[in-house]
Formats: sequence, C-alpha cells, structure tokens
Amino acid sequence: GAVVSQHPSRVICKSGTSVKIECRSLDFQATTMFWYRQFPKKSLMLMATSNEGSKATYEQGVEKDKFLINHASLTLSTLTVTSAHPEDSSFYICSANGGLEETQYFGPGTRLLVL
Amino acid sequence: AQSVTQPDIHITVSEGASLELRCNYSYGATPYLFWYVQSPGQGLQLLLKYFSGDTLVQGIKGFEAEFKRSQSSFNLRKPSVHWSDAAEYFCARISGNTPLVFGKGTRLSVIA
Repeated sequence: GAVVSQHPSRVICKSGTSVKIECRSLDFQATTMFWYRQFPKKSLMLMATSNEGSKATYEQGVEKDKFLINHASLTLSTLTVTSAHPEDSSFYICSANGGLEETQYFGPGTRLLVL
Repeated sequence: AQSVTQPDIHITVSEGASLELRCNYSYGATPYLFWYVQSPGQGLQLLLKYFSGDTLVQGIKGFEAEFKRSQSSFNLRKPSVHWSDAAEYFCARISGNTPLVFGKGTRLSVIA
C-alpha cells in the first residue's frame, strides 16, 4: 500500500516553544491530508483537513492559530503547534488519501511531550 | 451525523481461538468501510477495506470482514488469533471525500 511518513516520531519541548511536525506521502501525491490527535486510550479526533494550495479546514473547537497547517506541495503537509503547553501533549497522526481510491493511509504518528 | 459504533471496548481471547470484533455504522449512503489496527505507541495500519462488490473481504494478517447492509455491520473476524494480534482495532467509514469517521476502538488482549 501507499506509504506516509511523519517526522519527528517523538519530540519533547519546553512550554512556550513551537513544534513542527511533517507529514509526507512517499509514493503518491495527496491533494488532501488529514491531521488527527489521539489521547491516551482514546480514538482519533480529527483536527483539520489540509488541502494542497489552500487554507486548511479546522474542526470545531480546534484553534487554527494554535495549530498551524501548511500544505505547500502534493507530498508534504506540516502541522506546527505554536506556544505549546503541557495540555498539548498528545499523539498526532496524519493521513493522506492514496491516489484514486478513498483509502486513507496513516503516518506512524508523532508523540509530543510538552514539559 | 454519520457514525461508527464499536460496542466492545475490550475483548480477551485465548491464543488459537477465533475472533470477531463488531462494528456498526449509522444510516447513510453506502459507505466505504475500513478496519485499522494500532499497536501500542504506533500509527495505524490498514487491515482491509470494503468499497463495493463481494461483501466478504480479505485483509492482511489473516483477517476478514463481512459487510451486511441489512444489519449495518462490518464485523472483523479471524479464525485463529495469535499473540501478536494483541492491539487496538478501529473500524472507520468514509462517504465521499470526507475524513474518516472512527469508532472508539476495541482493545484486543490475547492470553495463552
């Protein structure tokens, strides 16, 4: 199947700093990518839909100025957690639609810990 | 709103026993249905998917799932569970170019 990568896989940062997470589709082009957040022992929560060349669409309750999304190319979307706080600590997962199919392929996730 | 329900939060199965994980979806246009598996601390891996056609779909790792429109179900099955199957399993649906809607997941424990 299609491969989606995320970098970094794990990051620890100080409160108040910003963290950028990259999501790449390695062997296909993705006009749409999705960013999810997963709390411990919980299901995934959709944060936003990232569209190449346009502004991301955020889900209700997700602060767009807090979670900046940039989808500059057909293979790369980035999520920047600005002025991170301990409550932002979570597992962040991206996904991308694989080609003509509706199948979403997921990245391996990024574990963020804010101290 | 479209939804996916996984009634079982946690299931424990003996190694070698059969497994069935339940998934129900809410009414709507014929959905695309998926099962994903997530090992602890890992991302999600696609097990199988149903778009149309044969209602019994085969996936990786010996899993299969059956789409039953009359019951709005897409249950995941495996005839003989291995200890390495212990993980969290998510059922999900999509309609059109929309994000996946996930069930809350079912945690599978495998005992000797």
